[in-house]
Amino acid sequence: AQSVAQPEDQVNVAEGNPLTVKCTYSVSGNPYLFWYVQYPNRGLQFLLKYITGDNLVKGSYGFEAEFNKSQTSFHLKKPSALVSDSALYFCAVIAWDSSYKLIFGSGTRLLVRP
Amino acid sequence: EAGVVQSPRYKIIEKKQPVAFWCNPISGHNTLYWYRQNLGQGPELLIRYENEEAVDDSQLPKDRFSAERLKGVDSTLKIQPAELGDSAVYLCASSLGEGAEEKLFFGSGTQLSVL
Repeated sequence: AQSVAQPEDQVNVAEGNPLTVKCTYSVSGNPYLFWYVQYPNRGLQFLLKYITGDNLVKGSYGFEAEFNKSQTSFHLKKPSALVSDSALYFCAVIAWDSSYKLIFGSGTRLLVRP
Repeated sequence: EAGVVQSPRYKIIEKKQPVAFWCNPISGHNTLYWYRQNLGQGPELLIRYENEEAVDDSQLPKDRFSAERLKGVDSTLKIQPAELGDSAVYLCASSLGEGAEEKLFFGSGTQLSVL
């Protein structure tokens, strides 16, 4: 089955430190991978995507993600965390069958402490 | 530019009652999606429209759920009758094109509580 997994329910990091939010995927064919962020009482917002090309993808708000085909991972990273980065982060992958469907992970809550 | 607009923001109903959610996508966006997000989980696709055509409704529980997108713009999602397990946040999203690589723009959602 095509799926995406976020192994951590919550990630805690101090402001100014680097952060990593983990994501692994399982799909048939070439993966289309996405990260979305959900702030309280707001809709999900697109952060970045990997379709093809460079394995390191840069996105909004200073975030980047590294595609690793051998490890089937697409971890979200930021060199220096801000308190305002505290939110719920979702990894997503396109699943292909007769059509396409965006499948989301269960989400990881990021808490950046001052 | 206005984002995806959903209403109502909250809805509380008793089981077996009908309920409807409304979505106005970003102007010019051809593709519209309805997702359901249960507490502590990621969104799950219910239905995807390309213009006025429902191109993927395989995840829509058709015995009680229905949706329409008249004139390829606004959309309505209906549940009749609602069950306790339908309590969730219902999210509408739109994208400019029809490809899998398109980024989605989400509304704030309608939080449904079925008592």
